[in-house]
Amino acid sequence: SVLTQPPSASGTPGQTVTISCSGSSSNIGGIVVNWYQQFPGMAPKLLIYLNDQRPSGVPGRFSGSKSGTSASLAISGLQSDDEADYYCAAWDDSLDGWVFGGGTKLTVL
Amino acid sequence: QVHLVQSGAEVKRPGASVKVSCKATSYTFSAYGIVWVRQAPGQGLEWIGWISGNNGNTKYSQRFKGRVTLTTDTSTDTAYMEMRSLRSDDTAVYFCARDNSENFYIDWLNPWGQGTLVTVSS
Repeated sequence: SVLTQPPSASGTPGQTVTISCSGSSSNIGGIVVNWYQQFPGMAPKLLIYLNDQRPSGVPGRFSGSKSGTSASLAISGLQSDDEADYYCAAWDDSLDGWVFGGGTKLTVL
Repeated sequence: QVHLVQSGAEVKRPGASVKVSCKATSYTFSAYGIVWVRQAPGQGLEWIGWISGNNGNTKYSQRFKGRVTLTTDTSTDTAYMEMRSLRSDDTAVYFCARDNSENFYIDWLNPWGQGTLVTVSS
């Protein structure tokens, strides 16, 4: 994948987990990052857009940030319902198309 | 509420073609583009291409250029993705999603269709 994410992350209920997304100057470095949440057998759902904005209905426990060519998704007050796959995405200026991270599977222990 | 509703699952032989539809409701179709993304079993998301809902302009991933054609029918607010010369590794769930900006640099995909499973098997 053009964007690099850790394949897995885990935490216990109530903890804060952070998922990273690393890119380059042709994508994250100059362009906004979005995050999607996907449950098994379901379509991805927008979680964070424009680096740090939450769509209505997304709890404040989810937050996004970007610095240089990397971005992060933080989930605080971890709940068992948060077990899902998380993907970062951005437009890539060099490829002239959307690029995605490989996805991070979050496990709540 | 904005919705994208996709056509049903397909089973195709290797070498065949498939055409997946994505019907948009509750927004002005011509004001936004539609993006197509696929997900092979157990794998991540892969961008296929984008089509403007306004003028039919397209962008394709280099990987699919020449094998995929994106079209729209503005009379029915429906987008289509046709893939030809199918191979077994094209077996995947295909999603459509709406973009939200005229500027790709500050854009995001929302909402998404429910997905269409395309199985390629002899």
